[in-house]
Amino acid sequence: AQTVTQSQPEMSVQEAETVTLSCTYDTSESDYYLFWYKQPPSRQMILVIRQEAYKQQNATENRFSVNFQKAAKSFSLKISDSQLGDAAMYFCAYDRYGQNFVFGPGTRLSVLP
Amino acid sequence: SQTIHQWPATLVQPVGSPLSLECTVEGTSNPNLYWYRQAAGRGLQLLFYSVGIGQISSEVPQNLSASRPQDRQFILSSKKLLLSDSGFYLCAWSSDLGETQYFGPGTRLLVL
Repeated sequence: AQTVTQSQPEMSVQEAETVTLSCTYDTSESDYYLFWYKQPPSRQMILVIRQEAYKQQNATENRFSVNFQKAAKSFSLKISDSQLGDAAMYFCAYDRYGQNFVFGPGTRLSVLP
Repeated sequence: SQTIHQWPATLVQPVGSPLSLECTVEGTSNPNLYWYRQAAGRGLQLLFYSVGIGQISSEVPQNLSASRPQDRQFILSSKKLLLSDSGFYLCAWSSDLGETQYFGPGTRLLVL
């Protein structure tokens, strides 16, 4: 079965600085999708970024980018110019055509003013 | 644009009582629908998903069930709630399997 691991239960970053959240996963498949979701205190799950495994180019969305290392099964999220509104739980997730959607345990990110 | 609704927002139920949580999606047709549970301080656990009316796949055996009576309606039910059913329940939709899932606001369930 697929598993997703986030080894950092909590992280903190100074406002305007850069932080990287780690994620590793285990799969025997070659074609799949990876996601980072953000869950603020409201508990609404918000998509941050999505990566297709067949694409070598790392996905980018404004201040958010990923470092996708397929061979190492690593999918880290980099947040640049951190803002107070970035404070939230961040979940890494793996999906293979909707049938194996697996979330990691999450990393709680604090942003310090 | 697409929107997803869940109700109720909060529910307090006694052990052994029935449960019905509803999720509806607007602005799209034939969505894939998902039910997740999130225990306090934990990640999300996929409970059920549906690719069409009347088609339900269960990921975790338990005392919960799901139904999809209409294209954009997804219902989570239980005949008798357990204390362990307490948690935060999220409904999500996607346009196709493997595509991004968009989540509803969630229902907070407390079983006493």
